[in-house]
Amino acid sequence: GDSVTQMEGPVTLSEEAFLTINCTYTATGYPSLFWYVQYPGEGLQLLLKATKADDKGSNKGFEATYRKETTSFHLEKGSVQVSDSAVYFCALLGPEGSQGNLIFGKGTKLSVKP
Amino acid sequence: DAGVIQSPRHEVTEMGQEVTLRCKPISGHNSLFWYRQTMMRGLELLIYFNNNVPIDDSGMPEDRFSAKMPNASFSTLKIQPSEPRDSAVYFCASTQSSNQPQHFGDGTRLSIL
Repeated sequence: GDSVTQMEGPVTLSEEAFLTINCTYTATGYPSLFWYVQYPGEGLQLLLKATKADDKGSNKGFEATYRKETTSFHLEKGSVQVSDSAVYFCALLGPEGSQGNLIFGKGTKLSVKP
Repeated sequence: DAGVIQSPRHEVTEMGQEVTLRCKPISGHNSLFWYRQTMMRGLELLIYFNNNVPIDDSGMPEDRFSAKMPNASFSTLKIQPSEPRDSAVYFCASTQSSNQPQHFGDGTRLSIL
């Protein structure tokens, strides 16, 4: 079945460091891909998305490119801030007709130190 | 715009008691999802509804868990009887259609003593 694998954390970085969180997927067809972020004590929020191959999703300085050839959707940010400390989830959504069931990775906790 | 609203935000109760968690999805959203999040198991999908009809409840851990969606604006997740291992954060999410991202509530932190 469909699945998402993301790098295990925790990831600890200093402020202004470069961030990469790896995410790969296994799916039939052409899924849509998402990154969600969960700040402490809150629910998950959609960070960015890409719906087809070579699409780049971006938001708040974060980017991820849908790579069909490597089945990847790595999250990157050029300069992290303390406020980016959170848990990041990669997820896929199956093609039309899949009832909207998101498949989540296990999450990667990011801690940014000043 | 009002997001997904869950209540209560926190619940502490003794084992054996009935627990009811509530969710109000975003108006106009047709699908609703219940998740459980723990440190050990991460984020687990329990059940989801489409147009108020349960589509997949294979994630519901046991018969002690039940979920209902009597109308498009309200859903409940009930645990009876509750056990300490049910302690977790329970999230509700909704989406407008199957190809749109889900919107999450802030969750209910449940502690069973």
